[in-house]
Amino acid sequence: QQQVKQSPQSLIVQKGGIPIINCAYENTAFDYFPWYQQFPGKGPALLIAIRPDVSEKKEGRFTISFNKSAKQFSLHIMDSQPGDSATYFCAARVGSGNTGKLIFGQGTTLQVKP
Amino acid sequence: EAQVTQNPRYLITVTGKKLTVTCSQNMNHEYMSWYRQDPGLGLRQIYYSMNVEVTDKGDVPEGYKVSRKEKRNFPLILESPSPNQTSLYFCASSLDRQGVNGELFFGEGSRLTVL
Repeated sequence: QQQVKQSPQSLIVQKGGIPIINCAYENTAFDYFPWYQQFPGKGPALLIAIRPDVSEKKEGRFTISFNKSAKQFSLHIMDSQPGDSATYFCAARVGSGNTGKLIFGQGTTLQVKP
Repeated sequence: EAQVTQNPRYLITVTGKKLTVTCSQNMNHEYMSWYRQDPGLGLRQIYYSMNVEVTDKGDVPEGYKVSRKEKRNFPLILESPSPNQTSLYFCASSLDRQGVNGELFFGEGSRLTVL
């Protein structure tokens, strides 16, 4: 099953809160899990990514947690700021080189209130 | 500056009137792709191209055409647009199909409304 299920669809937090976005997958052939961030009026851009042999990866205030046995991964934003308000997409890669592709989740619109 | 450029950014048209959305990248990428973004459905791939004169269908190709005559350009063609093609469209490019380290470079989007 080449799907990535993302939740919630939308999320509102106060400044300083820790929004959590979850993604789940079925295909164990997925081997790389990037997250994309999209600001209003802009295209998505790579934010952070993780491989399945790692349980956690941090880059600044952004952390990916990965649970291989549960086939779930999540994005946490520490000390969230209004500037983090954006749409976030999880994705999963299957295959490699020119036989691979990225499968995107449904997206989560995050609003961080001042 | 490395970028993917789409035009037009906004377009309102009527059912059946052929239109083309252009996409150009200046990074010498071999792989280019078109996605549409709809609320609750995320990013869905329409067509992709591995290289010049090599194109293939993505997950939602119906009603669309593409061409890749030059490496830098990958236009999306709607021969007879219908209201269900009202959407936000993104062009993306990368060194290969799944992106080095999962990174695709996206344009800023083209919002299309078909009346």
